[in-house]
Amino acid sequence: AQSVTQPDIHITVSEGASLELRCNYSYGATPYLFWYVQSPGQGLQLLLKYFSGDTLVQGIKGFEAEFKRSQSSFNLRKPSVHWSDAAEYFCAVAGRRGGGNKLTFGTGTQLKVEL
Amino acid sequence: DGGITQSPKYLFRKEGQNVTLSCEQNLNHDAMYWYRQDPGQGLRLIYYSQIVNDFQKGDIAEGYSVSREKKESFPLTVTSAQKNPTAFYLCASSSRDRFPTGELFFGEGSRLTVL
Repeated sequence: AQSVTQPDIHITVSEGASLELRCNYSYGATPYLFWYVQSPGQGLQLLLKYFSGDTLVQGIKGFEAEFKRSQSSFNLRKPSVHWSDAAEYFCAVAGRRGGGNKLTFGTGTQLKVEL
Repeated sequence: DGGITQSPKYLFRKEGQNVTLSCEQNLNHDAMYWYRQDPGQGLRLIYYSQIVNDFQKGDIAEGYSVSREKKESFPLTVTSAQKNPTAFYLCASSSRDRFPTGELFFGEGSRLTVL
């Protein structure tokens, strides 16, 4: 079974600073990988996804993530954070073998942006 | 606009009462899902359905029940057997039952509080 670890529960950055949110996964092969964002009291919005090919994927709102097989990681980055990026971010994985498209989520990282 | 509608947004219930959360989608999606979200625990899968009149248990199905009589509807009943029902519940749907084509779209959630 797959699992996801987001080691940082809370992160605070200043507006305009760069951001990196960490995500490590456990799976026997290359999984499908996702990053979602959630504003307070809202549903989840997909930021980006990795299925295959180029290991650097671009998403919405200026976010990108890099799949590193050797490190079992899929870290989310943004060069310059805006105050509106304050939210909770979830990394998720899905297995390629069977299991349909059920996602396994990490516990989330709460991002605070200081003005 | 196509999307997923969850109702009610907020719900209070007394201990020992069953309550049903509604999830309706007009995206013509085949697969639908229910997730539970608790602070610091991410999202956990309760039930999912890949086709009408069929559904499967997820990781935390005990104390919950579902039905899938129509393609667009996937209601979740939180029964009195659920020992800790206070949580944020998220419904999702996808056009196919497996990736890479089956991206999940989420509703805005229902917050259930047991008094």
